[in-house]
Amino acid sequence: GEDVEQSLFLSVREGDSSVINCTYTDSSSTYLYWYKQEPGAGLQLLTYIFSNMDMKQDQRLTVLLNKKDKHLSLRIADTQTGDSAIYFCAESLYSGNTPLVFGKGTRLSVIA
Amino acid sequence: EAGVAQSPRYKIIEKRQSVAFWCNPISGHATLYWYQQILGQGPKLLIQFQNNGVVDDSQLPKDRFSAERLKGVDSTLKIQPAKLEDSAVYLCASSLEFEGVAFFGQGTRLTVV
Repeated sequence: GEDVEQSLFLSVREGDSSVINCTYTDSSSTYLYWYKQEPGAGLQLLTYIFSNMDMKQDQRLTVLLNKKDKHLSLRIADTQTGDSAIYFCAESLYSGNTPLVFGKGTRLSVIA
Repeated sequence: EAGVAQSPRYKIIEKRQSVAFWCNPISGHATLYWYQQILGQGPKLLIQFQNNGVVDDSQLPKDRFSAERLKGVDSTLKIQPAKLEDSAVYLCASSLEFEGVAFFGQGTRLTVV
C-alpha cells in the first residue's frame, strides 16, 4: 500500500542546516518529490529525485534517497527565515495511473 | 511561462449550497489533477484527467462532487450540496506527461458554514 510518513515539526536557528525526513512504503515508487507550502499559498515544487539516484543537489538543497530503507531526506543549508513553511514529501508510482501520494507535511520554523 | 490558474481564491458558503471551482492548467499539459487538502493534512487526490478523459476518480465522493475537463484544457470541480466537512483547500495541478512533474495552482480555500 501507499503511505508516506513525516515528522510534524522541526525548529532550527537561522544559519543552521535543516534536515527533513520522510519514509515511504511502496518500493515501486519511481519519483520522490519535495514541495513547499507557505501560509495561504499553493504547493511549490522544490526538487525531485528519480529512484535510480542516491543524491541530488540544487543550490542550498540536498536530497538523499536510501532505497533500501525507503527513506528520503531534504537538507536545507544555511536556513533562512524565508524557509519557514510546511514541507511535503510525495511519491509517485510507476503503475500507469497513480498520481502523487503526500505525507502530512513537516512544519519548519526558523528562529532568528 | 504562466502557472496553473485557479479561481476563486476564497469561497464561503452555507451547507447544502452549491459551489464550483475553475482551473486553467499550464499550456500544453495533458494531465490535470484536483486535490483536496484538509487543514493539517497533506493533499489527497480527488480526480485525475488525461486530456479530457478521467483516469482516476476512485476517491471522488460522486454523490456530491463532479468534475469535468471540456476540450482537454480548463476544468471545473463542483460540489452539490456542500457539507461542513468539505471545508478545505482545493488544489489543481497539471503535468506535461503522464506521471510527469506536477505543478500546483494557488488553490481555492472553501469554508462551509
